[in-house]
Amino acid sequence: GAGVSQTPSNKVTEKGKYVELRCDPISGHTALYWYRQSLGQGPEFLIYFQGTGAADDSGLPNDRFFAVRPEGSVSTLKIQRTERGDSAMYLCASSLAPATGGNSYTFGSGTRLTVV
Amino acid sequence: QQQVKQSPQSLIVQKGGISIINCAYENTAFDYFPWYQQFPGKGPALLIAIRPDVSEKKEGRFTISFNKSAKQFSLHIMDSQPGDSATYFCAASLTGANNLFFGTGTRLTVIP
Repeated sequence: GAGVSQTPSNKVTEKGKYVELRCDPISGHTALYWYRQSLGQGPEFLIYFQGTGAADDSGLPNDRFFAVRPEGSVSTLKIQRTERGDSAMYLCASSLAPATGGNSYTFGSGTRLTVV
Repeated sequence: QQQVKQSPQSLIVQKGGISIINCAYENTAFDYFPWYQQFPGKGPALLIAIRPDVSEKKEGRFTISFNKSAKQFSLHIMDSQPGDSATYFCAASLTGANNLFFGTGTRLTVIP
C-alpha cells in the first residue's frame, strides 16, 4: 500500500481481555517497529522486526506484550490480560532498511487502545 | 530517564511569527536528530533531520540549529502559518541502535 496501515483505528476493551493490533507496512519495507505513545508524551519504542524475526524486543514492558511478523510483512501486536495502564496510542512504523541513525521511519496513524 | 528533553510543552504564535522549539540530549553518541510533526489522530511524520557534522539545516520555512558542544538542537519555523498548528517532537538515535528516542512534544498553535 501507499502508507503504513493500522487496524483498528480505535479499540475499547475491558480490563483483563486480550487484544490484537494489526500493522500492514509499506510494501517492500523490511524493517518494522512498534511504539507506544501515552497521552501528552512522545512515542516509546516497544519492538523492532527485521524480516520475520524480532531483532530487538527490549522495549516490551512485560510478558503480557508479544508481537509477531510471520511472513515478514504484516505484524500483530498482542496484549494479554489488558490493564488500564495499557491505554495509549500504539504506533507502527516501517522503513526500507533498519533505521539506524539514517533512514527515516514512516509511521501509521496508530491504534488508540482504551482499557476500561 | 528521559534521553531527550524538549521545551516548551506548548507554544502560541501569531501568524507570520517565528516558532522556536528546543531540545537537549545527554548521550554524545547520538548521531541523528530528526524532528517529527504530528496532527491529531495521525502518526508522526518526518519534517526535517540533521547530523552533528553540521550546525544548521534549512528546508523551506523549517530550520534546525545544532549546538554539539551544548548538546542542544532547536527547530525554527519561520513565517508560521495556522496550518503549522500541530505537535512537534524532537528525537535522537545512534548508528547501530534500533530505535528513536523522542522528546515529550510541543503543542504549537498558530493564531491567524
